Amino acid sequence: QKEVEQNSGPLSVPEGAIASLNCTYSDRGSQSFFWYRQYSGKSPELIMFIYSNGDKEDGRFTAQLNKASQYVSLLIRDSQPSDSATYLCAVSPPSGGSYIPTFGRGTSLIVHP
Amino acid sequence: EPEVTQTPSHQVTQMGQEVILRCVPISNHLYFYWYRQILGQKVEFLVSFYNNEISEKSEIFDDQFSVERPDGSNFTLKIRSTKLEDSAMYFCASSVGQVAYEQYFGPGTRLTVT
Repeated sequence: QKEVEQNSGPLSVPEGAIASLNCTYSDRGSQSFFWYRQYSGKSPELIMFIYSNGDKEDGRFTAQLNKASQYVSLLIRDSQPSDSATYLCAVSPPSGGSYIPTFGRGTSLIVHP
Repeated sequence: EPEVTQTPSHQVTQMGQEVILRCVPISNHLYFYWYRQILGQKVEFLVSFYNNEISEKSEIFDDQFSVERPDGSNFTLKIRSTKLEDSAMYFCASSVGQVAYEQYFGPGTRLTVT
């Protein structure tokens, strides 16, 4: 079974710090990797996607991908209380060609003032 | 900015009843999806729909579920004979193409089965 694993947290960081969120996936054939932010009771919101090994930066967010280790991470620099949410890692496509993302359970991030 | 809308925002139903969850995808989008998220659990794919037919479905999407695009704007999920374990948030999503990063999620319908 194709799995996406995340530490459920909560991860608590002070305002202004770097938050580091991690994700591992089981299907070595996966090609696309996504990070979503989900506030409590709301729908997932895509914040980053990455396809190639290495880093991809977008504002305060950096996604890091290591396909050899089957590991993807999200760094949030200068964390703000408004970043407090659950961060979902998703992977697509798994082997077999489906474009549907497989989600992890998410890591809860708390940024305290 | 165009958005996916869903109605109702919260639906309470009794076990054994049928419910219809409604979605209005973004107007120029061609692919439509339903996901569910049981409280505290991960987002799970149910079904995708393209060109007026189901293009993919998960193991969860059994005979209890059906989808329909009754007109040019609505996309519905019908759940027959609801069970307690159907209680979840149901998210509709739509996209122009079939790649995951193009999917826009609606705000969700919270279904509570009592």
